[in-house]
Amino acid sequence: DAGVIQSPRHEVTEMGQEVTLRCKPISGHNSLFWYRQTMMRGLELLIYFNNNVPIDDSGMPEDRFSAKMPNASFSTLKIQPSEPRDSAVYFCASSLRTSGTGELFFGEGSRLTVL
Amino acid sequence: AQSVTQLDSQVPVFEEAPVELRCNYSSSVSVYLFWYVQYPNQGLQLLLKYLSGSTLVKGINGFEAEFNKSQTSFHLRKPSVHISDTAEYFCAVSEWERGSYKYIFGTGTRLKVLA
Repeated sequence: DAGVIQSPRHEVTEMGQEVTLRCKPISGHNSLFWYRQTMMRGLELLIYFNNNVPIDDSGMPEDRFSAKMPNASFSTLKIQPSEPRDSAVYFCASSLRTSGTGELFFGEGSRLTVL
Repeated sequence: AQSVTQLDSQVPVFEEAPVELRCNYSSSVSVYLFWYVQYPNQGLQLLLKYLSGSTLVKGINGFEAEFNKSQTSFHLRKPSVHISDTAEYFCAVSEWERGSYKYIFGTGTRLKVLA
């Protein structure tokens, strides 16, 4: 089975540019999570979806960040405009169950560098 | 809201020595607890989880953890570490919110196994 697939794996862009990160969850999973990892803040939950519906976006840093899940097999995280402080590794994770007992399956991450 | 505290940011230990990585969480009515491992340039993988029942939980790669409700702790242990255990370890708790569960992670403990 394919795991959680994220693209791109690496992105280098200039300040002010738009960045779109993509995630394909494991087929059949009904919860999807976006996390950001930095040395200073560790692993932060940005937003999560349940059955394609955003449940909690309180972790999204500011209005420059947006996330969508148009269907069960695809999600995007967009940053517009990007800033150097957005540099981080962004992880997508999916889970089969919404009972809290399910395992989170992580993608390999998208490493973003904003110059 | 739940919170997870990992008291040690880095733990150096010699090969074949025992190790304990500490994790404390804020109390709640019901708690599901997890330990994940992250190898360099990879996503997180589940090591073990506590849902209910026996307070001693065994996971992959010889790791185990003990749930202690009175001390609100979930420390990770391994009796004899290998060089290949060098990685970052994250403790996590699941929290019920708005009809769904979300997962909160600690800041991670970097385990460095020395030859």
